[in-house]
Amino acid sequence: EDQVTQSPEALRLQEGESSSLNCSYTVSGLRGLFWYRQDPGKGPEFLFTLYSAGEEKEKERLKATLTKKESFLHITAPKPEDSATYLCAAVTGGFKTIFGAGTRLFVKA
Amino acid sequence: EPEVTQTPSHQVTQMGQEVILRCVPISNHLYFYWYRQILGQKVEFLVSFYNNEISEKSEIFDDQFSVERPDGSNFTLKIRSTKLEDSAMYFCASRPSGGGETQYFGPGTRLLVL
Repeated sequence: EDQVTQSPEALRLQEGESSSLNCSYTVSGLRGLFWYRQDPGKGPEFLFTLYSAGEEKEKERLKATLTKKESFLHITAPKPEDSATYLCAAVTGGFKTIFGAGTRLFVKA
Repeated sequence: EPEVTQTPSHQVTQMGQEVILRCVPISNHLYFYWYRQILGQKVEFLVSFYNNEISEKSEIFDDQFSVERPDGSNFTLKIRSTKLEDSAMYFCASRPSGGGETQYFGPGTRLLVL
């Protein structure tokens, strides 16, 4: 069965304390692995798409990486405004999109 | 920057009533999607739509649900007879035909069924 699992469920960081979020996936025929940011009551905001193992993408304090089994979202020197839920999603070979449950990130000043 | 828009932002309805949720995808996009997110739970895929027909649907998308592209800009989700458990945020998303699988999401419609 296709599955996307994110860990940890919640992460509390001090401002400037770098860390990583994990997304493990078991998906047949992965077509793409996505990272989104979601603020409370809002729609998912696109961050990155990764297509193949070894691929990396960066945007400001965020960097996403992909292996054959998992993806990481690295957050370098986070700020309070980075506080949000970070969602991982995979598009399967059957063109269905499966989301993980998300990691709630809290960054304290 | 082009955005996916959704209306209404909030809707309250009585159980058994029909609701129509509306979306305007990004103008040059050809693939359209509906998702739902029950409060505190995962975003769940409902249906994808391309070339005026459903291309994939989940187990959630039963006969109570339908989608339509009534004109060149709108994409709608109809729930025929709402149930209490249909209360959720409903998100529309779209993506272009070329350039990968990235989907862009709208702000959502919060549906409350009483």
